[in-house]
Amino acid sequence: AQKVTQAQTEISVVEKEDVTLDCVYETRDTTYYLFWYKQPPSGELVFLIRRNSFDEQNEISGRYSWNFQKSTSSFNFTITASQVVDSAVYFCALRGYNQGGKLIFGQGTELSVKP
Amino acid sequence: GAGVSQSPRYKVTKRGQDVALRCDPISGHVSLYWYRQALGQGPEFLTYFNYEAQQDKSGLPNDRFSAERPEGSISTLTIQRTEQRDSAMYRCASSLSGQLANTEAFFGQGTRLTVV
Repeated sequence: AQKVTQAQTEISVVEKEDVTLDCVYETRDTTYYLFWYKQPPSGELVFLIRRNSFDEQNEISGRYSWNFQKSTSSFNFTITASQVVDSAVYFCALRGYNQGGKLIFGQGTELSVKP
Repeated sequence: GAGVSQSPRYKVTKRGQDVALRCDPISGHVSLYWYRQALGQGPEFLTYFNYEAQQDKSGLPNDRFSAERPEGSISTLTIQRTEQRDSAMYRCASSLSGQLANTEAFFGQGTRLTVV
């Protein structure tokens, strides 16, 4: 069975603080893909990143960075120097290699960045 | 089109009525997906298509739910005899190909369905 757990339901920080959103996954597939999506207050789901299970290099994109660790089945997302515009619900998702594109989402973490 | 387009954005219907939700995927995208998202939850998979063929409908909750994509482009999700528990955000997504696992799905803005 595949499962994604985002244990943090809500996080509140003050602008310019760094914040890490946790994601833990379960899968029996040896090849799989992990994703993060952002859902701002306007409601759309915005793709942020995709990682392949065979590539454990961390990735940085501006203020965003992702830490993928197969040993702990985690794919954590860090926002450095958070801004009010980062306020959103963030979803981690998993797709198995033979799942035909079907995504398994976590429950989401609601991030609130206060000025 | 430039992005995935869903219509209507909002739908309020009376219990027992049928509703049809429409999705127009990104041009050229082979795969199309339907998800349902309850308030405070992550999206849950309903069904998906490659071209016009429905590849997986394991997430459809019961036989009141059906989907089609007759010409391999626009898709319709139909809910018959709606019930209050069907109230949710219904999201459509498309990707270049679900067969290529290293591609991402792009989501539309969703249809907020409320059954009263």
